[in-house]
Amino acid sequence: ETVLTQSPATLYVSPGETATLSCRASQSVSSDLAWYQQKPGQAPRVLMYAASTRTTGTPDRFSGSESATEFTLTISSLQSEDFALYYCQQYNNWPLTFGQGTKVEIK
Amino acid sequence: QVQLQESGPGLVKPSETLSLTCTVSGGSMSPYFWSWLRQPPGKGLEWIGYIHHTGSTDYNPSLQSRLTISLDKSKNQFSLQVKSMTAADTAIYYCARRSGSGAWYFDFWGQGALVIVSS
Repeated sequence: ETVLTQSPATLYVSPGETATLSCRASQSVSSDLAWYQQKPGQAPRVLMYAASTRTTGTPDRFSGSESATEFTLTISSLQSEDFALYYCQQYNNWPLTFGQGTKVEIK
Repeated sequence: QVQLQESGPGLVKPSETLSLTCTVSGGSMSPYFWSWLRQPPGKGLEWIGYIHHTGSTDYNPSLQSRLTISLDKSKNQFSLQVKSMTAADTAIYYCARRSGSGAWYFDFWGQGALVIVSS
């Protein structure tokens, strides 16, 4: 199966700054990668799909990029509601797999 | 707005079978794919399997031998059965809908049901 490795496990960022989250795939997933945000006690919410396409309602301070098997989620000008857990998920290879998550915490 | 709600026992004994149901409201089950996922406490997400509105299924190979996902469109429900539960199956179980765009990410989720395996 395709292993997704997210780094760092925890990212400490000050409000207003930029957070850069990484997701590396163990094999090609093309651009078939989604990003989710999860807050405590809630289900994940999809932010991005096709590596860089924002879903309806995702603020434009969230952006996604890719380079081969390396994917990046960038959150610019972090707001208080952005401090959460973020997961990547690939849907190019079966079975579907998720990364282990990056927690964005207040510095 | 589509809403999903999991229901089932919160506690299961080791070796027993878990049965969970997901009720879909605010929309039709056709023509979508419906999935189960789980998240062990403090850990990441694992996709369990899906059922299509036609009744076709596919499962994660890591769990396939113990799984059954079924559908009752008359009740707008789909269900998960996991046999031979162990402590390693303790998790929050989510039901979710595959995106309407056709890509295999999940756009609507239930709130999750915590299942603890313990005697």
